[in-house]
Amino acid sequence: DGGITQSPKYLFRKEGQNVTLSCEQNLNHDAMYWYRQDPGQGLRLIYYSQIVNDFQKGDIAEGYSVSREKKESFPLTVTSAQKNPTAFYLCASSTRQLSYEQYFGPGTRLTVT
Amino acid sequence: GQNIDQPTEMTATEGAIVQINCTYQTSGFNGLFWYQQHAGEAPTFLSYNVLDGLEEKGRFSSFLSRSKGYSYLLLKELQMKDSASYLCAVPRGGFQKLVFGTGTRLLVSP
Repeated sequence: DGGITQSPKYLFRKEGQNVTLSCEQNLNHDAMYWYRQDPGQGLRLIYYSQIVNDFQKGDIAEGYSVSREKKESFPLTVTSAQKNPTAFYLCASSTRQLSYEQYFGPGTRLTVT
Repeated sequence: GQNIDQPTEMTATEGAIVQINCTYQTSGFNGLFWYQQHAGEAPTFLSYNVLDGLEEKGRFSSFLSRSKGYSYLLLKELQMKDSASYLCAVPRGGFQKLVFGTGTRLLVSP
């Protein structure tokens, strides 16, 4: 079955540690995205990538980094510079067709204490 | 830039009809998406409107008026499983960057 996987589902870290969230898709999609969702708020775009070896900052990129070495993979690193890292992180991918529907992974809930 | 407004919360009873509104302001229009998100889960695609009018998909319909910057999602014959957040989103600065509203949390009661 095609889809997007994110691992782990829940992640706990101590303050000051970097942590990398995994995102893999086998939908053959060119574009991939990372969003952050906080309680009572909409999804906010962290980074996106339209093609391998290229990525762009979204609205809240500070304290985060990404790489896109393979079409299938778009890992997100939450660095110690991110002031409020505790959140629900969602990865998505899409084709370049007109509707540009985005398919989402199941999400990773990160808790930093 | 883009601004999207949706009501924060709505309640309805099983079997009823509910309309969730979304107003947007955008510098260029490339369609409007509706997603459903159950608590703690990923959003799932419901509809995409790029032309004015109503599009029906089973119990769910979505309406768009580009001149008014307005859309609504209509849910008929409500079921308990329809309790979820409904997110309105518009592309920005190129088709692939979506701006999401804060979502409308719908609670369906028996």
